[in-house]
Amino acid sequence: DAKTTQPTSMDCAEGRAANLPCNHSTISGNEYVYWYRQIHSQGPQYIIHGLKNNETNEMASLIITEDRKSSTLILPHATLRDTAVYYCIVRGQTTDSWGKLQFGAGTQVVVTP
Amino acid sequence: SAVISQKPSRDICQRGTSLTIQCQVDSQVTMMFWYRQQPGQSLTLIATANQGSEATYESGFVIDKFPISRPNLTFSTLTVSNMSPEDSSIYLCSVSGRYSGNTIYFGEGSWLTVV
Repeated sequence: DAKTTQPTSMDCAEGRAANLPCNHSTISGNEYVYWYRQIHSQGPQYIIHGLKNNETNEMASLIITEDRKSSTLILPHATLRDTAVYYCIVRGQTTDSWGKLQFGAGTQVVVTP
Repeated sequence: SAVISQKPSRDICQRGTSLTIQCQVDSQVTMMFWYRQQPGQSLTLIATANQGSEATYESGFVIDKFPISRPNLTFSTLTVSNMSPEDSSIYLCSVSGRYSGNTIYFGEGSWLTVV
């Protein structure tokens, strides 16, 4: 599976949009981009995923560049409860790899009042 | 998403002992996985729990240390054997299946401290 690169940390003001970048320059054509977050000592929470089109759900929006080499997770109105480590993961679709999530270090997001 | 329950949620164990963690899902799922998260680290996949057959282990993990069972489509166990302080970690069960559009969901984890 392709590796991802994320900033180590970022701060965001409460009520503002948080834009979390992720680079995945070696992504292949059938690999999806997944985002999870982990609030301290809890299990990772699924946020959103996409292949090449932009996606939106009740939690966030995912913007994937046309060349698919990078993406941005957008939390439209950050709250204090959004403070967490956010993981960008590229997930393979082959029988061998599709079930496995390769977690990097993620981005520690701190939302401040 | 399915409800994924892990037991115990937290435990303190003596070195040299073994502990079995249970993962129960309220829906039939195709795949179940076990991850480990050591203190301050990211998650690492231990193995894929296969129903009715031996688990598939990732590099660096062996069956003798982490025996896994999966007797049916909704239940799996992970045993951490002959524990040492280095096994102090959060152990996480994750699942995916048709119900979830193959998205992988995680349980809340089992936090083990070995003393």
